[in-house]
Amino acid sequence: DTEVTQTPKHLVMGMTNKKSLKCEQHMGHRAMYWYKQKAKKPPELMFVYSYEKLSINESVPSRFSPECPNSSLLNLHLHALQPEDSALYLCASSHRTGTGPGNTIYFGEGSWLTVV
Amino acid sequence: AQKVTQAQTEISVVEKEDVTLDCVYETRDTTYYLFWYKQPPSGELVFLIRRNSFDEQNEISGRYSWNFQKSTSSFNFTITASQVVDSAVYFCALSEAERSGGGADGLTFGKGTHLIIQP
Repeated sequence: DTEVTQTPKHLVMGMTNKKSLKCEQHMGHRAMYWYKQKAKKPPELMFVYSYEKLSINESVPSRFSPECPNSSLLNLHLHALQPEDSALYLCASSHRTGTGPGNTIYFGEGSWLTVV
Repeated sequence: AQKVTQAQTEISVVEKEDVTLDCVYETRDTTYYLFWYKQPPSGELVFLIRRNSFDEQNEISGRYSWNFQKSTSSFNFTITASQVVDSAVYFCALSEAERSGGGADGLTFGKGTHLIIQP
């Protein structure tokens, strides 16, 4: 079983709704990530948090708003999404950013988002 | 810029056959890391292996084995005696070593190979 837990597993929301995706890890990792994955495509990096601070935003539209309340939690707030935002949203964590020795990125099971 | 190519979009074999998934990468760095992940239909990306650029030793883990060859920039993955449970999309990924001041983050993925194991 994965040690990165994501909720909800499935979410259907309207274009005017506000919802949040949640991610939790208890591996003591200090880097956390959000990835977006469309059908039959590889995951694409959205955000990176390092020591609870946003370190990378890959030009993601402002209708996606990440939040890292503490070292174990990562949220993705969703507002005014478009149907094309429907995708699998994957949370991940690693000991730290970068990929030095012993640093591997572990993924959660993902949240399947459908925007109607 | 770094790039990962998985030329095989889909592979279908009968159970118990051996199958090799190809991965070719491009990077300008001398220090980098290569990964394989498995993604079953449930969606989770399951980490399989990490290999750093200085370690060309092949690795075997049960029915899985990996062949890393820097000379051809390849990191191929072989499943021996495949099973239906091996059916999934497999991603090869590359990450460069951490740069000073906080570095390359995240992974560059190949497009994935959809492996279908028929009973």
